[in-house]
This record gives sequence, structure tokens and C-alpha cells, in this order.
Amino acid sequence: KNEVEQSPQNLTAQEGEFITINCSYSVGISALHWLQQHPGGGIVSLFMLSSGKKKHGRLIATINIQEKHSSLHITASHPRDSAVYICAVKITAAGNKLTFGGGTRVLVKP
Amino acid sequence: KAGVTQTPRYLIKTRGQQVTLSCSPISGHRSVSWYQQTPGQGLQFLFEYFSETQRNKGNFPGRFSGRQFSNSRSEMNVSTLELGDSALYLCASSPIQGGNSPLHFGNGTRLTVT
Repeated sequence: KNEVEQSPQNLTAQEGEFITINCSYSVGISALHWLQQHPGGGIVSLFMLSSGKKKHGRLIATINIQEKHSSLHITASHPRDSAVYICAVKITAAGNKLTFGGGTRVLVKP
Repeated sequence: KAGVTQTPRYLIKTRGQQVTLSCSPISGHRSVSWYQQTPGQGLQFLFEYFSETQRNKGNFPGRFSGRQFSNSRSEMNVSTLELGDSALYLCASSPIQGGNSPLHFGNGTRLTVT
């Protein structure tokens, strides 16, 4: 079983829709990252969380440490949000190595 | 500030050869970490360097190695290349070690082993 699980694997939305991506982990962590990867490979760090909630523009990330769960929300989605979104955690028992989820491929249609 | 720079962008090598990839971090960042991304395994952590010392290592064979220079630039080396080493290799920099700070990624080096 992977230590970090993301759902869904693929998601298609119409422009303007609200999108939620989920990340569950099974180990103790010191931080959780949400990353965005566009075609071509470049990765952008969206959020780093250790508790609570963060908001940047139309993106909101939340984490529940007790439930070992995080969500990334995209409000008023736009075709430029089409990308792969990756959850990654720093596992405290593993020397804070970064362990990645499998990614969620998001397609927003105009 | 310039971003994280990885060179080369693309590389084609033959099985058995070795390869060296380079990563120049954002000015002032002292931590550089390396990752391998393949369609089958996704993103995997290779190693992290801070102040010229390897601080953390992923589960990769000894053919994968790296180093960091006094100006924080880092190189990774893969010896005796195998077909399965074909991947996108990404590096990321951050101001502090251990990564409870946002990571800044380069655009990656795409390695093809034939």
C-alpha cells in the first residue's frame, strides 16, 4: 500500500466548476506539499501545509492532521488550471524524505 | 531572481555509459534535492544536499550519486546506465534543509537511455 494516496486519478470539469482533489497518507508527517505540473514537466509548488488552511487566489488547501487527510480545491476553474496536481509529504520517521502521491490529472474544458 | 536552472534539458545516452546532470539553485538557497520521475513509478526522491553534505538519500542503487559545491550548485551522476534509468530528473532548491519550506523546481533534464 502506498503511503500517499490521491483521488481521483483523473478529473474532467467544465470551466467555472468547483474542483476538489484529495490526498490521504498513512504515516506521521512534518509537512505536506501540493504541487502543479504542466505538460512539458515543470513543477510549481502551490502550497506547503503543516496545519489548517491556506488560500492563494482561486486555490485553497486544507489539512486535517488527525485524519491524515488533505484537500486541494480549485474554485471557478479555468482551462489554464489543466495540469497534474501532486501531493507530497515529508515523513518524519524517514528523515523527512519527500514521498509523492500518484498525481491527479485535471482537464478543464471551456 | 533567476529560478532553478537544470542543464542539459535533454540527453540521449547508451546503456553502460555514465551521465552527469547539473542543477543551479536560486541564489541564497543552500538545499538542493533531486527527484526521478517515470511513468511507472511517478516521482521519487533521490537525495538532498545541504552545505555540501548529503543529508538524505532515497532508495536508489549506488549507481546514483551526487555532490554539492561551495556555491550550492549540485550535480548528480548515474553510472552504468540501464534502460530503466530513462526518466525526467528534477532538482529543487529551498533556503533551508529538511524541507519545511516551499520547494522551487527546475524544468528538469529528460534522459533517454537506448
